[in-house]
Amino acid sequence: KAGVTQTPRYLIKTRGQQVTLSCSPISGHRSVSWYQQTPGQGLQFLFEYFSETQRNKGNFPGRFSGRQFSNSRSEMNVSTLELGDSALYLCASNPTGSSETQYFGPGTRLLVL
Amino acid sequence: KQEVTQIPAALSVPEGENLVLNCSFTDSAIYNLQWFRQDPGKGLTSLLLIQSSQREQTSGRLNASLDKSSGRSTLYIAASQPGDSATYLCAVESGGSYIPTFGRGTSLIVHP
Repeated sequence: KAGVTQTPRYLIKTRGQQVTLSCSPISGHRSVSWYQQTPGQGLQFLFEYFSETQRNKGNFPGRFSGRQFSNSRSEMNVSTLELGDSALYLCASNPTGSSETQYFGPGTRLLVL
Repeated sequence: KQEVTQIPAALSVPEGENLVLNCSFTDSAIYNLQWFRQDPGKGLTSLLLIQSSQREQTSGRLNASLDKSSGRSTLYIAASQPGDSATYLCAVESGGSYIPTFGRGTSLIVHP
C-alpha cells in the first residue's frame, strides 16, 4: 500500500496570505489528523477528521481550518498567515482513529516571511 | 491537562551500547502510549504501540514497557547502531477523545 502523501512538500508565503495543504491517507484509512511541529512548541495536535466530520480539535485559533472529502483526502487551510505559523505540518492517518497506530506523512514545511 | 516529559533530551552513545529512553506522563488515565522515531526534517515512523491494558511490546531490538500507575514508559534499544540515530518521541492518547499529547523527544546519536 502507498503511504500517506502530503503536497506540497515545501512552501514559502508572506504574512497575510493564506495557504492550503493537502493530505492523502493510506487507502482504507478514514481518520486523518493534522499536527504542527515547531522547535519552540514541539508537536501539537491541530484537528482530526473522520468520515468528513471534524471529530477532535486542538487549541489553535480559528485561522486554522480543515476539511475531509468523501475519498478521505484532507486539506487544511491557514488564513492570514503570521510569522509564527512557520512550521512543519504533518498529517497522519489510521483506519478508525481510535487507539490505533498512526501513520505519518513526510510533512509540508511552510516558511512565512 | 496531560503533560508528557522525555528524559534525556539528548543522548550520544558508541555503537553497540544498550540504552534506555524515558517517557513520563501526568495523567494515568490513558488509552495508549506510542513510541515514534523521526529523522531530521521528516515525518514520524511508529515503532511500538502499547495499549493501556498491556505492559510491554517488542519489535526486533526494541522493547517498550508501560507502567500506568507510575505514569512511565521506557524504550529499550539493544545493541545500538548508527542507523538508530534519530529523535525518539512518545505520545499518549487520553482525555476521552483520543487526542495525542507528544513529548519533546530524545535526540539520539549513535557513533561508530
